[in-house]
Amino acid sequence: AQSVTQPDIHITVSEGASLELRCNYSYGATPYLFWYVQSPGQGLQLLLKYFSGDTLVQGIKGFEAEFKRSQSSFNLRKPSVHWSDAAEYFCAVRRGFGNEKLTFGTGTRLTIIP
Amino acid sequence: GAGVSQSPSNKVTEKGKDVELRCDPISGHTALYWYRQSLGQGLEFLIYFQGNSAPDKSGLPSDRFSAERTGGSVSTLTIQRTQQEDSAVYLCASSASPNSGRWNEQFFGPGTRLTVL
Repeated sequence: AQSVTQPDIHITVSEGASLELRCNYSYGATPYLFWYVQSPGQGLQLLLKYFSGDTLVQGIKGFEAEFKRSQSSFNLRKPSVHWSDAAEYFCAVRRGFGNEKLTFGTGTRLTIIP
Repeated sequence: GAGVSQSPSNKVTEKGKDVELRCDPISGHTALYWYRQSLGQGLEFLIYFQGNSAPDKSGLPSDRFSAERTGGSVSTLTIQRTQQEDSAVYLCASSASPNSGRWNEQFFGPGTRLTVL
């Protein structure tokens, strides 16, 4: 069975600083990987996804993520955070291309300080 | 509507009562998912519908939980004899047909916050 680990429960960064959120997955085959963001009181919004091909993927809101098969990682990055990026971030894995369930990590809460 | 909608947004109930949570998926989406988000367990998959059938209900935690979908659209998640550990945010998501040629992004609703007293 697939699983996802987000080792950082809470991260605090200054506005304008760079950000990296860690995600490690466990899955026997090529995974389908996702990052979602959840703002307070909101549903989950997809930031970016990786299926195959270029291991550096670009998403919305200036986020990017890099798939590293050798490290079983899919870390999320942003060069310069904005106060509006404060939210909870979830990494997720899916087994297949079609309509399969998502398995989520436990999430990382991001706090931005002025 | 433009997105997935869920009702009610908040539900407070007493232990032992039954509750029904509703999900309206994006029009035309054939797949529908229920997830649960709680402090202790994070985000957990509950059940997946394709049309009106549920090929994967492996995440339902007990037989007190059931779900149905009618007309390939609205879905209802029912929890019988609620317990305090059922307190959580219940999220619904929908996605397009697997034959659509797209990669089937799951679009999430805002959730129903259930509190069992």
